[in-house]
Parts: sequence; structure tokens; C-alpha cells
Amino acid sequence: ETGVTQTPRHLVMGMTNKKSLKCEQHLGHNAMYWYKQSAKKPLELMFVYSLEERVENNSVPSRFSPECPNSSHLFLHLHTLQPEDSALYLCASSQEVGTEAFFGQGTRLTVV
Amino acid sequence: DQQVKQNSPSLSVQEGRISILNCDYTNSMFDYFLWYKKYPAEGPTFLISISSIKDKNEDGRFTVFLNKSAKHLSLHIVPSQPGDSAVYFCAASASGSARQLTFGSGTQLTVLP
Repeated sequence: ETGVTQTPRHLVMGMTNKKSLKCEQHLGHNAMYWYKQSAKKPLELMFVYSLEERVENNSVPSRFSPECPNSSHLFLHLHTLQPEDSALYLCASSQEVGTEAFFGQGTRLTVV
Repeated sequence: DQQVKQNSPSLSVQEGRISILNCDYTNSMFDYFLWYKKYPAEGPTFLISISSIKDKNEDGRFTVFLNKSAKHLSLHIVPSQPGDSAVYFCAASASGSARQLTFGSGTQLTVLP
């Protein structure tokens, strides 16, 4: 079992749909992150949570809504997405914010 | 403006030879640097890190060098193996209450048998 688990692995959704990405970490870490990876672009940090509190929101559109109910779980709620939001969404966790991050396998999202 | 740059999108190396992956940064506040490896359909995996108080860190076949005056770091893999073929990301962070990792765009390494 990997330390950081993301579901689903693949998701295709229409622009009017509402869906959620789930992330769970089994490492006892205090910080969790959502990253977006688009083709040939750097990993873009979207949200940072430390001890279930959001500490950073990097100007992400409101159609992406994170939720961190506890230190082991992180969700990314999606609604009315655009085709350009199609990307690989990666969840990560670390002991503290800024230390070595452990990544999940990602969710490949396609918006049609 | 990218604060962490990997100017070579790809690199091919013969098996057994040395692979050198380069990374440049612009933010002088960065004091912690990491390398990650990523296989297709998987998330990045942490490889090795270095603090700005050091100029070299070695772990098995992997060595990271840091040149603070040039704002440059490099990852050396020797000897290179076909299983090292992956995308390598450089990342950096700065001290502070909201230390975050800033990633480069990655370099695809192909090790030829």
C-alpha cells in the first residue's frame, strides 16, 4: 500500500458536472497539498493544508474547492470546469509544510 | 516568471555513463533544494535533497551539487541504468512560515542500453 492514495485514477467529466477527487495519506503527516500538472509545464501548487487548516491558495479559480476534514484526508471538489482544466492532479503530503513531499499517483482529469 | 528552471527538456545517456541534470533558480531566498523522479502514470518520487549550508550531498549513485553563487544545482547519476529513465524535477523552497516547494518543468532522461 502506497503512503498517499488518490482516487479515482482517471476521470472524464462534462463542463456542467460536479465531481470530487479524494486523497488519503497513511504517513502521519501534518501537511497536505494539491498540485496540477499540465503538459510540459512545471508542477503548479494549488492548495496547502497544515493540520487541516488551509495555509495557501495560489489564485486558484473558485471552480476548484478543497476540503480537508482531517489530517489524513484531502478532497478537491470540482464544478463547472473548462476543457483547459484537463490535467494530472496530484496530491502530496509531508511531515511539515515545505519538507520532502510524498506524492500520490495522481488523477488524470479530462474535461469534455 | 519561473523561479526554478530546467532548460533541457530531454537528455539521452548511454547505460553505464554519467547523467547530469541541471537546474537554475532565481530566488535568492531559496535555501532547500530537492530532486524528484517521475515515471509515467505515477506521482513524483523524492530522490535527494540538499540544504544551502552544503554544496554536495551524495546518496548511492545520486549526487546533488549546489553552487549558490551561480544559483545552480545539478544531479549526477553514475552509473546510469535503463531504470533511471524518467522525468526528473528540481524543486526549491525558502525558509518561512509557509515554506512551499517550487518546481521546475522537468527533464526527460532516457538511458540507452
